[in-house]
Amino acid sequence: QLQLQESGPGLVKPSETLSLTCTVSGDSISSSGYYWGWIRQPPGKGLEWIGCIFYTGSTYHNPSLESRVTISVDTSKTQFSLRLTSVTAADTAVYYCARLQYYSGSGSFPDYWGQGTLVTVSA
Amino acid sequence: AIQMTQSPSSLSASVGDRVTITCRASQDIRHGLGWFQQKPGKAPNLLIYAASSLQTGVPSRFSGSGSGTDFTLTISSLQPEDFATYYCLGDYDYSWAFGQGTKVEVK
Repeated sequence: QLQLQESGPGLVKPSETLSLTCTVSGDSISSSGYYWGWIRQPPGKGLEWIGCIFYTGSTYHNPSLESRVTISVDTSKTQFSLRLTSVTAADTAVYYCARLQYYSGSGSFPDYWGQGTLVTVSA
Repeated sequence: AIQMTQSPSSLSASVGDRVTITCRASQDIRHGLGWFQQKPGKAPNLLIYAASSLQTGVPSRFSGSGSGTDFTLTISSLQPEDFATYYCLGDYDYSWAFGQGTKVEVK
């Protein structure tokens, strides 16, 4: 059974860098046909797409966050990571990692999700 | 980058009702649309992918339709466990975007 688990600090100071890791168990992160993504949800608000990565290292980011986001993958550790620089209170959210299943010609969609981790930006 | 406009933002319905939620893409995304259900405190759950394909394990009362820019999620007969928030997710050419969400509440 595939499982994803987010880990990282729950509190980050303004202007600093948010760093999260997603550990994947039950499947290979190097499998073709899957992307590995990050999604966030501010308290009481909707979902926001952050970006995703293929095991080869190709990345795709939300243009509104692109200048601050780095997504990387470590296939040896079956982990992928998110770094978000220069955070503000607006970056306070539950951050989810997810596996995206690729459906030929019809897009890629998250079919397995982590439980989510709340990151608060505050001094 | 694509943008997704979802409506309504909320609706009230009763058990047994037929419920319809719509999503419009800012450009032609062919069949690149998924629908998700989210309950409080939980991660979203994929219901429909590729606009109209039912994810394994999802009840058949859920269905999706549409292509291009206009898409619909239909719940044929609302059940008590279906009261939740629903989101669409558009995907085209390595660009993804969520709709704003629709909260389905008890009438």
